[in-house]
Amino acid sequence: EIVMTQSPSTLSLSPGERATLSCRASMSISSSYLAWYQQKPGQAPRLLIYRSSTRATGIPDRFSGRGSGTDFTLSISRLEPEDFAVYYCQQYGTSPHFGGGTKVEIK
Amino acid sequence: QVQLQESGPGLVKPSQTLSLTCTVSGDSISSDDYYWSWVRQHPGKGLEWIGYIFYSGSTYYNPSLASRVTMSVDTSKEQFSLKLSYVTDADTAFYFCARAVRGFTSGWYPREYDYWGQGILVTVSS
Repeated sequence: EIVMTQSPSTLSLSPGERATLSCRASMSISSSYLAWYQQKPGQAPRLLIYRSSTRATGIPDRFSGRGSGTDFTLSISRLEPEDFAVYYCQQYGTSPHFGGGTKVEIK
Repeated sequence: QVQLQESGPGLVKPSQTLSLTCTVSGDSISSDDYYWSWVRQHPGKGLEWIGYIFYSGSTYYNPSLASRVTMSVDTSKEQFSLKLSYVTDADTAFYFCARAVRGFTSGWYPREYDYWGQGILVTVSS
């Protein structure tokens, strides 16, 4: 079973700064077998990135994903106020596990 | 526009069975392109996949819950359902239904969840 580990658990940044979130798989997965989600309080998760680097419909280009093997990254180039939320990665496969999440909070 | 809506009791007694239904609109549940899924989230915690079902009725469950989970689909009503038996307070959580894109390499598997229901809080308490 592949375990997805996200770091850091909390990222404290100011609006306008760049955010870099990490997701590590316990064993190598295909470079395109990963998705990222954003979740705000009281809401369902929203798909941001699929196939590791493809933005979902309507997602602004300040969000970008990359990675391969065991290490994947979600970057937010310049944080907007609405970007402060919790972010999850999820691996594709018959057991589609999620990472534990990274909370991006206002510093 | 695709929409999913969970429904069911918000309160279940310990040892009883949690039953939820997800109604799909804006798309046919009888699509070869998707799995229909359940994901839960304990309050303040991360996301946990429960299982997924294809419109044909084939299912795959999280091994940690498999002994207590049953999923079914009713294509005539555009609905799919979750039953979780012998619940305890550890099953208190938000339950989301979601649509997962279906992928294929050497076999079929769920990819990303592209549409989600709003979620329903189910509390297990006597």
